[in-house]
Amino acid sequence: EDQVTQSPEALRLQEGESSSLNCSYTVSGLRGLFWYRQDPGKGPEFLFTLYSAGEEKEKERLKATLTKKESFLHITAPKPEDSATYLCAVQEGWTTDSWGKLQFGAGTQVVVTP
Amino acid sequence: DAGITQSPRHKVTETGTPVTLRCHQTENHRYMYWYRQDPGHGLRLIHYSYGVKDTDKGEVSDGYSVSRSKTEDFLLTLESATSSQTSVYFCAISGRQGHAEAFFGQGTRLTVV
Repeated sequence: EDQVTQSPEALRLQEGESSSLNCSYTVSGLRGLFWYRQDPGKGPEFLFTLYSAGEEKEKERLKATLTKKESFLHITAPKPEDSATYLCAVQEGWTTDSWGKLQFGAGTQVVVTP
Repeated sequence: DAGITQSPRHKVTETGTPVTLRCHQTENHRYMYWYRQDPGHGLRLIHYSYGVKDTDKGEVSDGYSVSRSKTEDFLLTLESATSSQTSVYFCAISGRQGHAEAFFGQGTRLTVV
């Protein structure tokens, strides 16, 4: 069965302490890999889409990278407002049965302390 | 929030009663989804729609039905609510030209007592 695994489950950082989150996947025919941020009591907020190995996307202190079997979300010099749960999702290749469906990992809960 | 409105935002209901959750979008996106989110399980797909009156099952569809009579509305119905259906339910949409990402609503917290 296709799987999306995120690690670590939880991460506690000091403000300014850079780190990386991992998302490994086993789906065949990856169409896209997505990163979301989720704050307590809210819906997931879209961050990035990555389509092919070697691709990188950046937004403020966040940078997402993709290889053939995993993706990393790098948080550079984090601030307390970066505290959230970060979700990774994958989308399989285009078929009638799977178009658009996202398979999510369980998420990494990040806490950044001042 | 990408023009997605879920209603109600919170609901408490009794076991065995029917419940309908509504998702309304103003983006004219073709695809709509219902997910549930539970501790330890993450987000799991219940049902999805790829057009008006075109729907299909996700990985946790038992006990749920959906309907989509208009592009903008996607309804999720629990025919006879059970305690195992206590969860947070999220609607999502996708289909923006050239983009594969999905956008989520704010969620509905459902408690079945």
